[in-house]
Amino acid sequence: QLVESGGALVQPGGSLRLSCGASGFTFSTYSMNWIRQAPGKGPEWVAYVSSTGGIKEYTASVQGRFTISRDNANNSLYLQMNSLRAEDTAIYYCARDLVVYSTTFELWGQGTLVTVSS
Amino acid sequence: DIQMTQSPSSLSASVGDRVTITCRASQSVSTYLNWYQHIPGKAPKLLIYSASTLQSGVPSRFSGSRSGTDFTLTISSLRPEDFATYYCQQSHSNPYSFGQGTKVEIK
Repeated sequence: QLVESGGALVQPGGSLRLSCGASGFTFSTYSMNWIRQAPGKGPEWVAYVSSTGGIKEYTASVQGRFTISRDNANNSLYLQMNSLRAEDTAIYYCARDLVVYSTTFELWGQGTLVTVSS
Repeated sequence: DIQMTQSPSSLSASVGDRVTITCRASQSVSTYLNWYQHIPGKAPKLLIYSASTLQSGVPSRFSGSRSGTDFTLTISSLRPEDFATYYCQQSHSNPYSFGQGTKVEIK
């Protein structure tokens, strides 16, 4: 399973680090993603990281502000979010790829809420 | 960027009904099209991948098909546990976009 944490209320321009703990599978063999869903909207893919952490991809709106990373020794995925904006307000999910680099999201967590507001 | 357009945005149906949801891609995504089910308070669930492959453990009443850039999710006989929001998603190219969702409600 996947369990996200770290969501909070943060002011515009602030920073936040989300975590995702994995269990029940060999975390180090799967590529991982962050996906978010703003209120009343469809989900939006945010970032991808390969199984080793060597390849990372981002959607354009977060490029340069967000950093995805992972710690395979501790079965954890992270999303460092800087320069937060109101439009970053969403539930953030971590999700496991079906197969390497498929960006087909086989397993999801239940999400953590990030609210950016003054 | 590839835009994914779902229709309808919502529908009302009864248990036992056949339900069809459509997703159109703004350009070719080949068969890189996936369908998800989301029940509020639960983690989203992968139903169909590669346009028509049923994910392991998903009931056979769910099926997917493709015609060019148009994709269809069909539930052959709606069950109470199927009332949810359904999303399509293209895994062809970055950004890996989703449709806006189709909410299936009880009639």
